[in-house]
Amino acid sequence: QTVVTQEPSFSVSPGGTVTLTCGLSSGSVSTSYYPSWNQQTPGQAPRTLIYNTNSRSSGVPDRFSGSILGNKAALTITGAQADDESDYYCVLYMGNGIWLFGGGTKLTVL
Amino acid sequence: EVQLVESGGGLVQPGGSLRLSCSASGFTFSRSRMHWVRQAPGKGLVWVSRINNDGSTITYADSVKGRFTISRDNANNILHLQMNSLRAEDTALYYCASDNSHAFDSWGQGTLVTVSS
Repeated sequence: QTVVTQEPSFSVSPGGTVTLTCGLSSGSVSTSYYPSWNQQTPGQAPRTLIYNTNSRSSGVPDRFSGSILGNKAALTITGAQADDESDYYCVLYMGNGIWLFGGGTKLTVL
Repeated sequence: EVQLVESGGGLVQPGGSLRLSCSASGFTFSRSRMHWVRQAPGKGLVWVSRINNDGSTITYADSVKGRFTISRDNANNILHLQMNSLRAEDTALYYCASDNSHAFDSWGQGTLVTVSS
């Protein structure tokens, strides 16, 4: 069974840059999986930041960017701010009308 | 402004049924694919089901296939999720979300389903 992999946790200093990744237990992530990234702060609904690999949702600051790095999708936060401290979930479109979320990365800004 | 408001959650016994609804406004609902996503307490997001704009194409996660039914009422801008044969592991906050380019766009605030005796 295919699993979408993410780092369980990551930390970044305020103002720093961090790259979170999203991989597959078998195979490589490509644009064909339409990778997207969702941010969720505790007690809040998710918010979609990036869709279709690198398109920013409306209102999302340009310090959030998406890409493919090697065989994984990546979310890069440039100039991290305190309110970026959240859980980040990638989701891949697996084809045949099926989506699969990663387990999420808990980002700490300190 | 896009708004998605879920309702219908509650406490139900194992084996029971529940029908969730998601009322949509602020966008052309009848042209939008829609999803249900759930999140068990303290756990990650899990995709549950998707329906296309006219209800002709529907898919489910294996964990709910045969027990859950997604449907939509385009005349009233409402998305539904009929959940039967509920299990303890179905306990979760259920979100509806609109679709954008094979991803999720707008999200509701969720409705909590608790399956317990």
